[in-house]
Amino acid sequence: QQQVKQSPQSLIVQKGGISIINCAYENTAFDYFPWYQQFPGKGPALLIAIRPDVSEKKEGRFTISFNKSAKQFSLHIMDSQPGDSATYFCAAPGNAGNMLTFGGGTRLMVKP
Amino acid sequence: DSGVTQTPKHLITATGQRVTLRCSPRSGDLSVYWYQQSLDQGLQFLIQYYNGEERAKGNILERFSAQQFPDLHSELNLSSLELGDSALYFCASSGGLTSYNEQFFGPGTRLTVL
Repeated sequence: QQQVKQSPQSLIVQKGGISIINCAYENTAFDYFPWYQQFPGKGPALLIAIRPDVSEKKEGRFTISFNKSAKQFSLHIMDSQPGDSATYFCAAPGNAGNMLTFGGGTRLMVKP
Repeated sequence: DSGVTQTPKHLITATGQRVTLRCSPRSGDLSVYWYQQSLDQGLQFLIQYYNGEERAKGNILERFSAQQFPDLHSELNLSSLELGDSALYFCASSGGLTSYNEQFFGPGTRLTVL
């Protein structure tokens, strides 16, 4: 099964700062890389996703940067806010059906 | 609100018992996925159904089974429960079979096995 390695495991950022979370994947054949945001007691919510035909995708304060040759993609949260404090998961398609393989998660805390 | 519903929200049971978790996908979605989230294993794919047919299997134990009914709701059955089965169980749904299909997660069922 494809592995997705996510770092860091935890991140503390000051309000207004930039949060950066990185993921590395193995299989270059896959073509869809989403990020999910999960608050305590809630299900993961799709935040933003990218296909490898573009190197960057931006939605509001959230940007995905994609490096196909390095098999890496990252999430940048600009002007981080306390309300962004959550666990973030990157994902990539798995080896069967339309399953997703998730990274281990990054617990982000934005300090006011 | 993702539009995916799951019941019950919490379930507490004893080892050796059997439970059923229920999921209703978003209106119009044909695919249902089940994931298990535990502290040590993260989010793990269990099984996918598409329009009533099993589509893919992940690391699902033989003690676990699932099905998708004609109205597209799905049930995950967990039997001979062990302490290690305590986890959050999420259902997700998506519209079709292409890899670009976004998966939307329900609120989850928290299972505690005592």
